[in-house]
Amino acid sequence: QSALTQPAAVSGSPGQSIAISCIGTNSDVGSYNYVSWYQQYPGKAPKLIISDVNNRPSGVSTRFSGSKSGNTASLTISGLQSEDEADYYCSSYTSSSTLVFGGGTKLTVL
Amino acid sequence: EVQVVESGGGLVKPGGSLGLSCTASGFKFSDAWMSWVRQAPGKGLEWVGRIKSRGSGGTIDYAARVKGRFTISRDDTKTTVYLQMNSLNIEDTAVYYCTWDSSGYYRLAKWGLGTLVTVSS
Repeated sequence: QSALTQPAAVSGSPGQSIAISCIGTNSDVGSYNYVSWYQQYPGKAPKLIISDVNNRPSGVSTRFSGSKSGNTASLTISGLQSEDEADYYCSSYTSSSTLVFGGGTKLTVL
Repeated sequence: EVQVVESGGGLVKPGGSLGLSCTASGFKFSDAWMSWVRQAPGKGLEWVGRIKSRGSGGTIDYAARVKGRFTISRDDTKTTVYLQMNSLNIEDTAVYYCTWDSSGYYRLAKWGLGTLVTVSS
């Protein structure tokens, strides 16, 4: 199972909106609405911020939203803040009942 | 409060074995599906494997890279899940995270702090 494809890095200025793409295949992202996104700060454990394509767990800012079209999922962060600077990973359930992650995207807030 | 706490990491020689434990609290462990995820230094996340609850058949799935070398098990009486790692190689060096899957479809809602496994001669 190959990793999902994410851009290595994205950046934006405070207040702007950015989107991070996550490209999979018909065996994972394209076939299931079980895409999740995780936020990870350096030296810390990842934290779930989006599940099931577009559901936010309790306590996660409404500035985070998710979507999916075909084999591509996306995470959008609106009203960018300095605290959003972190690594972001997508993941998807697969047709083999396994889990596959994206390679991760480093978000820099300029 | 939901918590998962890993233990057992350390330094091991190539070809050696090491066992990790993960003790959970704050949810009904016997119904829980648990996954292990690892992260090599400076690299991304990699799913290692998952164990379903006994009520769901107790099925265990593994990533291709560890299948046949790693074994996941659970003891519901101790609310603990285990990861036994054999035939370790340098590429297995990573922080190993224990996670709670709250949906059965890899909604990894809770992560432990991780435990570092270093494979080196």
